[in-house]
Amino acid sequence: QSALSQPASVSGSPGQSITISCTGTSSDVGAYASVSWYQQHPGKAPKLLIYDVSNRPSGISYRFSGSKSGNTASLTISGLQAEDEADYYCNSYTTSATLLFGGGTKLTVL
Amino acid sequence: QVHLVESGGGVVQPGGSLRLSCAASGFTLSNNAMHWVRQAPGKGLEWVAFIRYDGSNMFFADSVKGRFTISRDNSKNTLYLQMNSLRPDDTALYYCAKDGNPYSNPAGYFESWGQGTLVTVSS
Repeated sequence: QSALSQPASVSGSPGQSITISCTGTSSDVGAYASVSWYQQHPGKAPKLLIYDVSNRPSGISYRFSGSKSGNTASLTISGLQAEDEADYYCNSYTTSATLLFGGGTKLTVL
Repeated sequence: QVHLVESGGGVVQPGGSLRLSCAASGFTLSNNAMHWVRQAPGKGLEWVAFIRYDGSNMFFADSVKGRFTISRDNSKNTLYLQMNSLRPDDTALYYCAKDGNPYSNPAGYFESWGQGTLVTVSS
């Protein structure tokens, strides 16, 4: 099964907003409200940012928000900060009872 | 405070076997669904395996199906990944992760992560 499609890189200036897309199919992203997003800094374990499309765990900044339309999910980061520079991954449950990650997006804060 | 510590990684020859462990603390393993996720050097994340909270269901990525098994020892609060017939493309940092939905089957998400244990498959 191919990875969900994410842009390889995005960039933005401090204070700006950026959106990372995660495109799948009707067998994964489009099938369930089971999309999650993770942030990974170099050499660190991933960290959960968003679950079930748009829910933020306790302790995650309101600057991170998630949404979904059809087969595409999106992560928006508002008020970009230097510490947001990291790799971001989406994940979705699939109709094959597996979990599928996106290829990852490198965010650069200019 | 949830804490996950993986161990058991190392260098193994192609065709060999390895068993990874994930010691859990701060919560009861037997009440929670758990996953293994891996990351090849310089690459993205790949979900590997899942075990339901009661051990009644296990699911695997196609890339490891038939070669890897997942299990748990509730008395030790420890999760395992038995890896057989290892191949060079199994080389990766292996993370265990707690599902945020205790009753996930396995439509959940990775709420807490360990720091990973490195597996290198090479002759």
